[in-house]
Amino acid sequence: GAGVSQTPSNKVTEKGKYVELRCDPISGHTALYWYRQSLGQGPEFLIYFQGTGAADDSGLPNDRFFAVRPEGSVSTLKIQRTERGDSAVYLCASSLTAGGSYEQYFGPGTRLTVT
Amino acid sequence: GDSVTQMEGPVTLSEEAFLTINCTYTATGYPSLFWYVQYPGEGLQLLLKATKADDKGSNKGFEATYRKETTSFHLEKGSVQVSDSAVYFCALSSYSGGGADGLTFGKGTHLIIQP
Repeated sequence: GAGVSQTPSNKVTEKGKYVELRCDPISGHTALYWYRQSLGQGPEFLIYFQGTGAADDSGLPNDRFFAVRPEGSVSTLKIQRTERGDSAVYLCASSLTAGGSYEQYFGPGTRLTVT
Repeated sequence: GDSVTQMEGPVTLSEEAFLTINCTYTATGYPSLFWYVQYPGEGLQLLLKATKADDKGSNKGFEATYRKETTSFHLEKGSVQVSDSAVYFCALSSYSGGGADGLTFGKGTHLIIQP
């Protein structure tokens, strides 16, 4: 079956611009996660959704970052007034439901470059 | 907060050598522990997991045992192959039925197997 998909695969934007990154989870998965991976580092948790609500957004670095999941399926990560330090690979993952033992399935990521 | 420490890479071994990648963690409560692998050009995928103390996760010849007394989850394989060349990430989840469910990752260990 289809895995987690993310679009675009690459995004280049200028400093100060607004960007949206999209994630399509595996069908039927109620939990959805966003991570950020900088070069040479492990993924860093940003936010997770259980259904439509953000159950934990403690990893969002500041109020320029926001994510939505209005119908409990597709999610969009939104970054306002981008900065060069936002350049990273943004990963999305989904799992059948929330719970530490459930496997998270990762998408291929969106590589964001802020010039 | 939660943290994961794993050995720095790159680790270079000859084919059929024995592999150990060390991983130790700090967490509240009783986390679930994971090893994820990222093959060249591919997304993160779960390699194995353990959800309670003394559990052993295994897959594709790799093993790791959840050691609560030493807060460790070292990855081992008896005889590595060139196809095992990848980046390996140790991770934990401290989900507690309503608390944070994002994974905390180590920095990753780049494994290179030479024929």
